[in-house]
Amino acid sequence: DAKTTQPPSMDCAEGRAANLPCNHSTISGNEYVYWYRQIHSQGPQYIIHGLKNNETNEMASLIITEDRKSSTLILPHATLRDTAVYYCIVRGFGAAGNKLTFGGGTRVLVKP
Amino acid sequence: GAGVSQTPSNKVTEKGKYVELRCDPISGHTALYWYRQSLGQGPEFLIYFQGTGAADDSGLPNDRFFAVRPEGSVSTLKIQRTERGDSAVYLCASSHQAGGSTDTQYFGPGTRLTVL
Repeated sequence: DAKTTQPPSMDCAEGRAANLPCNHSTISGNEYVYWYRQIHSQGPQYIIHGLKNNETNEMASLIITEDRKSSTLILPHATLRDTAVYYCIVRGFGAAGNKLTFGGGTRVLVKP
Repeated sequence: GAGVSQTPSNKVTEKGKYVELRCDPISGHTALYWYRQSLGQGPEFLIYFQGTGAADDSGLPNDRFFAVRPEGSVSTLKIQRTERGDSAVYLCASSHQAGGSTDTQYFGPGTRLTVL
């Protein structure tokens, strides 16, 4: 699976949008971008995933650049409960994609 | 519906002892995964099952670690002769079908293992 690079930490103001970047310059054509988050002392929580089109669900939006070398997770109106470590993961499907490879993630602190 | 559950939530044991950690996947999920998370790091893959069989155990650190899933549902991770370095949070995840287009892994809350 391709390696991802994320900033180690970022702060966000409550009620504002949080934009979390991820670089995955070695991504290949059949690899998906997945985002999980981990709130303190809990298991990772699935947020969203995409291949090349932008995706939106009730939690977040995922914007993938046209060359697919980077993406941005957008939390539209951050709340204090969004404070967590956010992981960007690149994975293929089939046998190669069954193991999720977590990097260091971005520690997001939402401040009042 | 019910998510992935793991028991116990916390386990404290002494060096050299044997421990078992249990995972109940989401009902109907055929794939089950074990990960280990050390303090301050992201989870690391250990093993995954498709049905009853271990399809990939390449992440198990050594032969003290073993996992079973005899009926294709509940799984048990077994650690023999525990060492202090085994202290970590052990996470379980499940998905509908490994490698499928809807193969999103859903995680349980984890078991925090402390080896004294």
